[in-house]
Amino acid sequence: DAKTTQPNSMESNEEEPVHLPCNHSTISGTDYIHWYRQLPSQGPEYVIHGLTSNVNNRMASLAIAEDRKSSTLILHRATLRDAAVYYCILPLYGQNFVFGPGTRLSVLP
Amino acid sequence: EAGVVQSPRYKIIEKKQPVAFWCNPISGHNTLYWYRQNLGQGPELLIRYENEEAVDDSQLPKDRFSAERLKGVDSTLKIQPAELGDSAVYLCASSLGFDEQFFGPGTRLTVL
Repeated sequence: DAKTTQPNSMESNEEEPVHLPCNHSTISGTDYIHWYRQLPSQGPEYVIHGLTSNVNNRMASLAIAEDRKSSTLILHRATLRDAAVYYCILPLYGQNFVFGPGTRLSVLP
Repeated sequence: EAGVVQSPRYKIIEKKQPVAFWCNPISGHNTLYWYRQNLGQGPELLIRYENEEAVDDSQLPKDRFSAERLKGVDSTLKIQPAELGDSAVYLCASSLGFDEQFFGPGTRLTVL
């Protein structure tokens, strides 16, 4: 099963871009890369997902390396509300999520 | 549209007591998940339902945990008897097939 590696924590200043990295060197050709985040005292929420091409939505962008062994979640302008734990996930059997400890993002005013 | 509803939000019990958690998924979502999240860790999948069928319960400690999803809508997760190590947040999520999972706020269980 594919595993992911993320930094334990990162820090950003408010209104600056944030790049959250994820390594997934054992990814298979059909694995989608999912990102979720968990705000304090809440359940995780979907951020973005992709397969090969870079993806954009209203929350973030996902940049996927050409060899697909790594990806980067990009928050274009961090706000205080973006302070959360960010999880990079490769689902098992296409659906079962295996959450690691994620990256705890702190946003400084 | 209402999100995933869980109750209770908090529960404190003494060890060896039984406890039950309830989850009502988003209307129309056929897939339902129960996760357990220990402090400082990511959620861990306990069981996944497709409609009323448990299709993956490999991580559910079957000696004390049980779950049901009668009629393929809401679901109940039970622990009997509870142990100190069961203290955690129990999260329910639902999805439409392989689409994004929507999580409820969770039930924080404290076992004394």
